[in-house]
Amino acid sequence: DQQVKQNSPSLSVQEGRISILNCDYTNSMFDYFLWYKKYPAEGPTFLISISSIKDKNEDGRFTVFLNKSAKHLSLHIVPSQPGDSAVYFCAAKEGGATNKLIFGTGTLLAVQP
Amino acid sequence: KAGVTQTPRYLIKTRGQQVTLSCSPISGHRSVSWYQQTPGQGLQFLFEYFSETQRNKGNFPGRFSGRQFSNSRSEMNVSTLELGDSALYLCASSFRPQLNTEAFFGQGTRLTVV
Repeated sequence: DQQVKQNSPSLSVQEGRISILNCDYTNSMFDYFLWYKKYPAEGPTFLISISSIKDKNEDGRFTVFLNKSAKHLSLHIVPSQPGDSAVYFCAAKEGGATNKLIFGTGTLLAVQP
Repeated sequence: KAGVTQTPRYLIKTRGQQVTLSCSPISGHRSVSWYQQTPGQGLQFLFEYFSETQRNKGNFPGRFSGRQFSNSRSEMNVSTLELGDSALYLCASSFRPQLNTEAFFGQGTRLTVV
């Protein structure tokens, strides 16, 4: 049972435009959400996170939006750059003293120059 | 500050053998988690350690085990290797187990079972 879903396996965007990556979850116990960027054969790199008590968090070109009622979050990258091309994973944590992450299946973002 | 260090980076083993992977967390971090990444299953949680105690375990067979030492370094062991154990094994480091904290990953160990 996939508790965190990224329904778009891939996304192609022009340089300078906005990239929007989406993530849905089913477990209402999830309280904290994270986005990671990953290159092949490397570990994921942390990008941005959001707590369930917020609906938006910004860090430079990256903004994460959380719609708790819809169990949906999205990552916006503005403006997109060719170096952003990678696989993006969303991940979720349940409340409590744990660092266990449940990952989505990833979206491959290709930013075209 | 040094990041998460995983050794070795690459490993080739034969079916039936066992393997031990090592992870040194970021200095000051006391929580270590392990994940397996395969093309078919994505990133899956293996186990989590804090203060030398396993706090959480994923849905993997008993052939997968781990431990954490007093200096927070962690090892994971896979016994009786199967072809399906070929994967990228990732270690993540956090300050401690709590909700609003990020995990930082090492570069992983690529295990190939032949």
